[in-house]
Parts: sequence; structure tokens; C-alpha cells
Amino acid sequence: DQQVKQNSPSLSVQEGRISILNCDYTNSMFDYFLWYKKYPAEGPTFLISISSIKDKNEDGRFTVFLNKSAKHLSLHIVPSQPGDSAVYFCAAIRNSGNTPLVFGKGTRLSVIA
Amino acid sequence: GAGVSQTPSNKVTEKGKYVELRCDPISGHTALYWYRQSLGQGPEFLIYFQGTGAADDSGLPNDRFFAVRPEGSVSTLKIQRTERGDSAVYLCASSLTGISGTQYFGPGTRLLVL
Repeated sequence: DQQVKQNSPSLSVQEGRISILNCDYTNSMFDYFLWYKKYPAEGPTFLISISSIKDKNEDGRFTVFLNKSAKHLSLHIVPSQPGDSAVYFCAAIRNSGNTPLVFGKGTRLSVIA
Repeated sequence: GAGVSQTPSNKVTEKGKYVELRCDPISGHTALYWYRQSLGQGPEFLIYFQGTGAADDSGLPNDRFFAVRPEGSVSTLKIQRTERGDSAVYLCASSLTGISGTQYFGPGTRLLVL
């Protein structure tokens, strides 16, 4: 049973436009969410995170939005650049329970020049 | 500073053989994690060490899988009697504090069992 779902396996966006990657979760005990970016033959790299007490966190071109009632979060990349082309993983954790990270299956983003 | 390193980067073995995968975490990181990533999937948790002890090994799929971290730094993931279904990328990560800390991943070991 997938507790973290990324329903879009791939996404193509033109350079300079906004990329929106979506993630849904089913476990209401999750209280901390992270996005990781992965290039081929490399390990995932931490990108941005958000605590369940917030609904938005921004870091440069990257913004994560959290809608707790809908159990939904999204990652916005503005403006998208060709170097952003990678697989993006959403992950969730129950911070207070010392439980491990649970990852979604990932979304492959292609930014077309 | 050096990141998480994993050796070998690739390993090809035959069904039934024993393999060891090594992880060198970032210096000073007390927490170390092993994940397995199959094709088209996200990383799946295997085991988590806090210092030398396994704090959570609930993700190990069966007793053919075992991991150690004898001195609280380098860790070895051991797989006995490998099966074709064990083929995957095995990722190691470390974090400065406990499981709530940001995890930094190594490049992974790509294991292929023929």
C-alpha cells in the first residue's frame, strides 16, 4: 500500500515556465515532508522540506506547498531551467515517531530549451 | 568535504552467491540508512543505524539480508544466497542527528544478480 503517491511518472515543461510536481499521502501521522532530486547514476539530493505546521516554504526558485486537509503537497519550480531535468521524489516522515522516510515513486521532469 | 561514498559502484553476481556492499558516511554523522531502489520505484527503507546499533531493521525483506556498523562509521550490507529479485540499486544515506535530520545520499551500488 503506497503511503506516498506521485501519480505523474513524467512531466515536460518549456524552459522559463513553471513546473508543478504533485504528491499525495495517505498517512495522517506524517508531519514532515521533503523533496529530493535525482540525476542518473547519482544518489538523491535533498532539495526542500516543509513541516506540517506550515503551508508554504520557499527557497529561491523552489516553493513547496502543503495542503494538510487534502493530504497533498506540490513543488513549484519557477522559472524552470534545463538543469532542473531530473527525477523528483516526494518523501514523508513521522518526525515525532522516529520512523523512516517513505518515498513516492518519483516524477521525471524534462525541461525543454 | 567528502560526501557519502559507496563501493562497489556496480556488482554483478550469480544467483546463490554472497555479496557485501560498503557505505562510508559523512564524517561525524551518527545516523546511517540503507535503502533499496528497484526500477521505476522510489527508494525503500531497509535499515537504520544510530551509532553502532540498528535502531530499526523493519525494512529488511528477509533473513538473507544483514547489515553491520561495528565502529559507528562504515557500514556493510550483506546479502546471502542472492536471488534475481535482489537486483536493484542499494542506496546508503547518513544524517548528522537522528532520523529526523536531513539525509544525504551516496551514489548507490547497482547490484545485478544473474
